[in-house]
Amino acid sequence: EAQVTQNPRYLITVTGKKLTVTCSQNMNHEYMSWYRQDPGLGLRQIYYSMNVEVTDKGDVPEGYKVSRKEKRNFPLILESPSPNQTSLYFCASSPSGFDLSYFGPGTRLTVL
Amino acid sequence: GNSVTQMEGPVTLSEEAFLTINCTYTATGYPSLFWYVQYPGEGLQLLLKATKADDKGSNKGFEATYRKETTSFHLEKGSVQVSDSAVYFCAPSPAGGTSYGKLTFGQGTILTVHP
Repeated sequence: EAQVTQNPRYLITVTGKKLTVTCSQNMNHEYMSWYRQDPGLGLRQIYYSMNVEVTDKGDVPEGYKVSRKEKRNFPLILESPSPNQTSLYFCASSPSGFDLSYFGPGTRLTVL
Repeated sequence: GNSVTQMEGPVTLSEEAFLTINCTYTATGYPSLFWYVQYPGEGLQLLLKATKADDKGSNKGFEATYRKETTSFHLEKGSVQVSDSAVYFCAPSPAGGTSYGKLTFGQGTILTVHP
């Protein structure tokens, strides 16, 4: 089954404790992207990757890091999480950067 | 870069009512246009798309027509069902050049359909 998986689905953590949210797709897609969704602000792009080893900032990259060492994986790293990073995070992929064919189920992160 | 203005919600309708969710955009060049749907507790799904002016995208009874002259892509459905309750997002395709890959979404419109 074609899908984008994210782990964990839910996470409660404390300020400053490094964490990684994994994202993996099984469709051999070139393009992957991370979004955060907040009430009243809609979806905002954090980072995206056009291909392996190629990443670029979206609209709200501050406080986040990503890496793309393999085509299928695109982890989101929060080196020192803060409460303003409490949000619902989505990973997405597509064959190109033209649209977003598949979204993951989301990761709800709470930073205390 | 691109920007999107979506009809503010929430929108509450009775089953079988007619639905319109307005979307206007500003974009570089002539983008493709997309509507995404997010059902409760799930990620977004691509609902429909249109790739050029006057094209009509359709899926699951929903339709939207690409109006270049008014830069609009309004979503419509003739008879909504309770199962259509979701959040709907409008998005133009990324611009070229250094903006390629940056997909901008509208704020989303919450639709609730009552029996």
